[in-house]
Amino acid sequence: DIVLTQSPDSLAVSLGERATLNCRSNQSLLYSSNNRNYLSWFQQKSGQPPRLLIYWASTRESGVPDRFIGSGSGTDFTLTISNLQAEDVALYYCQQYYDESYDFGPGTKVDIK
Amino acid sequence: EVQLVESGGGRVKPGGSLRISCAASGLSLKNFVFSWVRQSLGKGLEWVSSISRSGTTIYYAESLRGRFTVTKDNSKNSLYLQMNSLSAEDTAIYYCVRDLPGVPHTFDIWGQGTVVTVSS
Repeated sequence: DIVLTQSPDSLAVSLGERATLNCRSNQSLLYSSNNRNYLSWFQQKSGQPPRLLIYWASTRESGVPDRFIGSGSGTDFTLTISNLQAEDVALYYCQQYYDESYDFGPGTKVDIK
Repeated sequence: EVQLVESGGGRVKPGGSLRISCAASGLSLKNFVFSWVRQSLGKGLEWVSSISRSGTTIYYAESLRGRFTVTKDNSKNSLYLQMNSLSAEDTAIYYCVRDLPGVPHTFDIWGQGTVVTVSS
């Protein structure tokens, strides 16, 4: 089974600074036939459902600000939030859709310092 | 406006059954793949099931197979999740979600969720 771990559990970043969130898989999420990484990132604000930010590890969903950047390949992935805004306070989850468990990671909480 | 609205959640006793619904507006269920995802304090976010556009192909999380059944009524533009033999571990918010077109099993549209509590 694929297991996703996220680090750190939480972080506090000053407004306008950069937040770096990590997601690691115990198996590669890179599908060789199409050279795509089967990983998404979601943002969940308090009391709201998750919102899709990034898919294919680095493709930004429509309407998502360009300060959200997904990167990485294989087993190690990063979500970078540059120029952190107050509205970015949330939980962030990675999710794999490489195998049929379609698991989510445990999440990283982002706060303002 | 595209919207998914879940209903039917509530409190049920262990061993009981419950059917929750999802009404779609602004999009047609027959044109997309839809799924159920649940969120609990203990297990976090967990994919439950997915149903194809035609409704003929359905996938379930291994741990739930046999207890949960997904159906849909394209004429009513509604999706359903029948849950049987419920236990405390099934206590969660249940979200109706759309699979991102062209990207299998990740989810771009979410309802607000319906809360299911399994407790005596």
